Formats: sequence, C-alpha cells, structure tokens
Amino acid sequence: DTGVSQDPRHKITKRGQNVTFRCDPISEHNRLYWYRQTLGQGPEFLTYFQNEAQLEKSRLLSDRFSAERPKGSFSTLEIQRTEQGDSAMYLCASSSTPNTGELFFGEGSRLTVL
Amino acid sequence: AQKVTQAQTEISVVEKEDVTLDCVYETRDTTYYLFWYKQPPSGELVFLIRRNSFDEQNEISGRYSWNFQKSTSSFNFTITASQVVDSAVYFCALSYNFNKFYFGSGTKLNVKP
Repeated sequence: DTGVSQDPRHKITKRGQNVTFRCDPISEHNRLYWYRQTLGQGPEFLTYFQNEAQLEKSRLLSDRFSAERPKGSFSTLEIQRTEQGDSAMYLCASSSTPNTGELFFGEGSRLTVL
Repeated sequence: AQKVTQAQTEISVVEKEDVTLDCVYETRDTTYYLFWYKQPPSGELVFLIRRNSFDEQNEISGRYSWNFQKSTSSFNFTITASQVVDSAVYFCALSYNFNKFYFGSGTKLNVKP
C-alpha cells in the first residue's frame, strides 16, 4: 500500500496568483481531510470529504479557498488570489472505513507567497 | 467548544531519561476521542494512539505509556528511557465524530545522546 501523496511538495508564488494542490489518498480510504499548519503550530482543520461529498468546511476557509474530490478519489485544494498570510504547509490525510479515527497524513505541500 | 492545550513548547532531555508530555483538553461532548501523533523532522505526522472518553484505563506500549484522567481533562504521554530517535514534535488531538480533529500546538522533544 502506498501512502498519501501530495503534489507539489513546495510551491513558491507571487501574491495574487492562484495555486492548486493535489492529494492522492490511500486507495479505498473514503475519508479525506485537508489541514493547514503554520510554523510552530498544530494542524488546523480546513475541510473534510466522505467519498465525493464535502461534509464539513472550516470558517477559516475563505471564499478564496475551494476543495474538490471528484469521483471520491484524489482531491484538489485551490487557493485563488493568494496572500502572504496563506503561506503555510497544507496537509492532506485520509482514513479508512470502518473509521477508527486514525489519520494517515501525507508529507504536505509547502506554500510560500512572496 | 473543543480545545487542546500543550503548554510545553519544547523539552530537552538526555538519552535514557524518562519524559512526560502534557496534554489538557476542553470539550462539552460526553463522547470523544483523544489522540497522540508524532511528527519527525521529515514532516509526516504519524498516529501513535487513540483513546475513547469512556475508557480511562491507562495504556502501555513498549517504552510509551499514556495516562488519561477525565477528572483533570488530561491525556499525558510518557516516554521511558528516551532515545535519540524519539526526537520529534508530538501533537495531542481531540475529536468527537472523526469528521474534525482539533490539534494542540505541539511539544518539540529533543533527545540528546
């Protein structure tokens, strides 16, 4: 079993540009999560999918953020009109059914907004 | 509201010392789950343990042990005879439905040879 993979691992962009991150969960994991982690902090919840349905979304997620999980497999997280405050590590995690609460994390996608 | 507090930002110990990482949580739910994750320097968070709110039995796994006390809303993690490979950031987390997980700010453990 391959683990959760995220792409790209590092993205440097200028303020105002759009960026998209991709997450490929462990196959057959029907739950997928996006978290954001800034330096010295724990992961902050962004959103959660069960299969293709986005069931919960954090208030932290402004209108500039959108996530999709077409066909319930991979997921994308898009940030439009990036701001310097968006600089962070974006983590993807997946979990299996039945759900034990154990999250399997990817290595993350680091975003730097100049 | 759900909240997890890890007051210890960073701890340094010498190899073979025992070390305890503190975790205090807040929740109004009567059923909830507590977790510990390890984030080594490579960056990927790794699950260590899950505890249910209705099971206060302490758990031991090798050099790791966990002390869950509902009376003080704490879920502390002890590493016995620490090793250099234990150096990492450790996160405590809380969830009531597995949809959303609340993480503490983490404790960085430095184990020196």
